[in-house]
Amino acid sequence: GAGVSQSPRYKVAKRGQDVALRCDPISGHVSLFWYQQALGQGPEFLTYFQNEAQLDKSGLPSDRFFAERPEGSVSTLKIQRTQQEDSAVYLCASSEPGRGSYEQYFGPGTRLTVT
Amino acid sequence: SQQGEEDPQALSIQEGENATMNCSYKTSINNLQWYRQNSGRGLVHLILIRSNEREKHSGRLRVTLDTSKKSSSLLITASRAADTASYFCATDGGRGSTLGRLYFGRGTQLTVWP
Repeated sequence: GAGVSQSPRYKVAKRGQDVALRCDPISGHVSLFWYQQALGQGPEFLTYFQNEAQLDKSGLPSDRFFAERPEGSVSTLKIQRTQQEDSAVYLCASSEPGRGSYEQYFGPGTRLTVT
Repeated sequence: SQQGEEDPQALSIQEGENATMNCSYKTSINNLQWYRQNSGRGLVHLILIRSNEREKHSGRLRVTLDTSKKSSSLLITASRAADTASYFCATDGGRGSTLGRLYFGRGTQLTVWP
């Protein structure tokens, strides 16, 4: 079946612009995660949804970052007034907890470059 | 902040050789996972080992876990050029951590020369 998809794959934004990044998880996956990966680093947790409920947003770096998953499937990560330090790859992952494992399925990521 | 640290940061070997990567972490865990990331792509899950397991195999992969030392190792046997990628260990943060939230290290960049 189809894996996790993300769009756009690449986004160039001028500083101060707003951006919206989309994630389509694997159908039926309850859990959805967003991670931020800076160049040469490992992914860092941003936020977590269980169905439509955002249960943990402690990793969001500032109030310019906002995520939603209104119908419990597709999720959008929005960054307002982008700054250069927001440049990174944003990864979305989904998983199906309750099966005794927490393997996560990652999308290809959106590479955001803020100029 | 990142939970794990992989060692070495970079590893370069010839095809057919074995590659060993190590990971150390800081807090208690329920499980530890290893992921692979090819350049410009998302992460692919390789293997999960639970805190009550000491060793696990999957094909050419062998993972060990020593919870007393808070460390894990990933061994890739008979490496191939296609194994060239970054390898990350990820822990779940243990009791009290958000269900499923992963804490990644900085990764080991493995290059396998044909």
